[in-house]
Amino acid sequence: DAGVIQSPRHEVTEMGQEVTLRCKPISGHNSLFWYRQTMMRGLELLIYFNNNVPIDDSGMPEDRFSAKMPNASFSTLKIQPSEPRDSAVYFCASSLGRQSLVSQYFGPGTRLLVL
Amino acid sequence: DAKTTQPNSMESNEEEPVHLPCNHSTISGTDYIHWYRQLPSQGPEYVIHGLTSNVNNRMASLAIAEDRKSSTLILHRATLRDAAVYYCILRPEYGNKLVFGAGTILRVKS
Repeated sequence: DAGVIQSPRHEVTEMGQEVTLRCKPISGHNSLFWYRQTMMRGLELLIYFNNNVPIDDSGMPEDRFSAKMPNASFSTLKIQPSEPRDSAVYFCASSLGRQSLVSQYFGPGTRLLVL
Repeated sequence: DAKTTQPNSMESNEEEPVHLPCNHSTISGTDYIHWYRQLPSQGPEYVIHGLTSNVNNRMASLAIAEDRKSSTLILHRATLRDAAVYYCILRPEYGNKLVFGAGTILRVKS
């Protein structure tokens, strides 16, 4: 299995630009999660989907952030407009099922730098 | 979400056992204890989880106190590849969210 695939792996952009991060979950997994990691705040859950439906987006910082999951094999996290404080590593994770017994599988992350 | 407390960092010698403690005094009866680790420049990875009984798998062992207010992740023989940040996380039985704390930075010396 290829694992969770994220692209791009690195992104450098200027303030005000739109940024789109992409994620392909493990085939067959029906839950997908977006996390953000910074030195100051650690790892934070932004949003998660179950069966392509957003279940909890309480971690999305503000309206500049949006996430979609048009089908079971693809999700995007968009930041528009981007700001320097959005610089972080963004991880996507997937799991099969919702219960606590199920572990989450993380992708390698996208390192975003907003200048 | 119930809170966990872990030491900021620990150090171990290679080939020796490592005991990583976690306190969770406010744990509820249906909370599972999960451990994840994050190797440098990688995403977190699942290590082990348990509810009441001690658990073993190929990566580690999890020892859970009888009152469930604390637990210990045991790496039986630390290697340099085990140097990582280890997170102890409580998950409700039907909870899908992982709430990460600061974790414990484990350094392994050769």
